[in-house]
Amino acid sequence: EPEVTQTPSHQVTQMGQEVILRCVPISNHLYFYWYRQILGQKVEFLVSFYNNEISEKSEIFDDQFSVERPDGSNFTLKIRSTKLEDSAMYFCASSEAFFGQGTRLTVV
Amino acid sequence: GEDVEQSLFLSVREGDSSVINCTYTDSSSTYLYWYKQEPGAGLQLLTYIFSNMDMKQDQRLTVLLNKKDKHLSLRIADTQTGDSAIYFCAESPPGDNTGKLIFGQGTTLQVKP
Repeated sequence: EPEVTQTPSHQVTQMGQEVILRCVPISNHLYFYWYRQILGQKVEFLVSFYNNEISEKSEIFDDQFSVERPDGSNFTLKIRSTKLEDSAMYFCASSEAFFGQGTRLTVV
Repeated sequence: GEDVEQSLFLSVREGDSSVINCTYTDSSSTYLYWYKQEPGAGLQLLTYIFSNMDMKQDQRLTVLLNKKDKHLSLRIADTQTGDSAIYFCAESPPGDNTGKLIFGQGTTLQVKP
């Protein structure tokens, strides 16, 4: 069965540092997504990506966030200067049906 | 805007049926989904229902949709300890062709042996 793979599973970073979260989505899918879940809160949509560009983004996805698919395989989420409130579980999804296991980001 | 609400916790005994409820605000949502999240794992799509359907059954899972009341439920028959997890309902907003989802906060299902 196809699966979405995310790395790392857990990332600890200092406030102000840049982080890159990586995802390998399912290759023949067209839409890719990033969601986040702050502990105890809802899973929130961040951004959708289609045809190598952002198709929609939420209010959360400000200038500190960026996504790219540099090599047609990996799909990355970059946070330029992390804040404490960026601490969350980040999920990558390939269409609505396939989610990765998540990366837990802890900003200290 | 769209909003999806779920009760936070449900406890049942093994062998009983579980019913997890969800309400949503936008009656023109096209698809409604149920996901399962086991500890340390990602979101697993369990089932989905199109908005013009009232019910969908898939083995032990039954989804009921009441569009008038904007109420969605997931019934798990003969609940097993392996069903213990967090269950999320999600809606696909109307007029959105990007496939993004609006999630509820999740219901933790505890199955007691």
